[in-house]
Amino acid sequence: GAGVSQSPRYKVAKRGQDVALRCDPISGHVSLFWYQQALGQGPEFLTYFQNEAQLDKSGLPSDRFFAERPEGSVSTLKIQRTQQEDSAVYLCASSLAGTGAYEQYFGPGTRLTVT
Amino acid sequence: AQSVTQLDSQVPVFEEAPVELRCNYSSSVSVYLFWYVQYPNQGLQLLLKYLSGSTLVKGINGFEAEFNKSQTSFHLRKPSVHISDTAEYFCAVSERVLGSNYKLTFGKGTLLTVNP
Repeated sequence: GAGVSQSPRYKVAKRGQDVALRCDPISGHVSLFWYQQALGQGPEFLTYFQNEAQLDKSGLPSDRFFAERPEGSVSTLKIQRTQQEDSAVYLCASSLAGTGAYEQYFGPGTRLTVT
Repeated sequence: AQSVTQLDSQVPVFEEAPVELRCNYSSSVSVYLFWYVQYPNQGLQLLLKYLSGSTLVKGINGFEAEFNKSQTSFHLRKPSVHISDTAEYFCAVSERVLGSNYKLTFGKGTLLTVNP
């Protein structure tokens, strides 16, 4: 079946612009996660949704980052007034449930470059 | 808070040779352990996971890992690698704590390069 999809795959933004990154999780998956992967690093947790509820946003690096999942399926990660340090690959993952025992399925990521 | 250390950033090996990718973790509570593989321009794919029970875990593509609680390690092994195993490998942990056991903490990754 279809996996997790993300769009766009690549995004170039000028410093100060706002960007929106989309994630389509696997149908029926209750839990959705966003991670940030800087060059040469492992992914770092940003935020977690269970259905439409954002249960954990402890990893969001600043108040310029905002995520939503209004209908409990598609999610959008928005970054306002982008800075060069925001350049990274943003990964979305979904799972059947929000416990560690359930596999998180990852999308291909959106590579954001801020110039 | 938990942390993960992958001791080798790059591991070059020849085809059909055995390989071990090392992973150590630190946590004040019990953990779940995972290995993910990332091929170029693709998302992460789960290779294997340790939740409980037998400390030797077998995964996809002929990989296996052994959980060693006393050494806080979860090393990944394959007895004979193929060119197609060339990829970045990430070790990850999550805490066995209700309400926070969804949060994966990753190591920095090990680039496995298999040469002919």
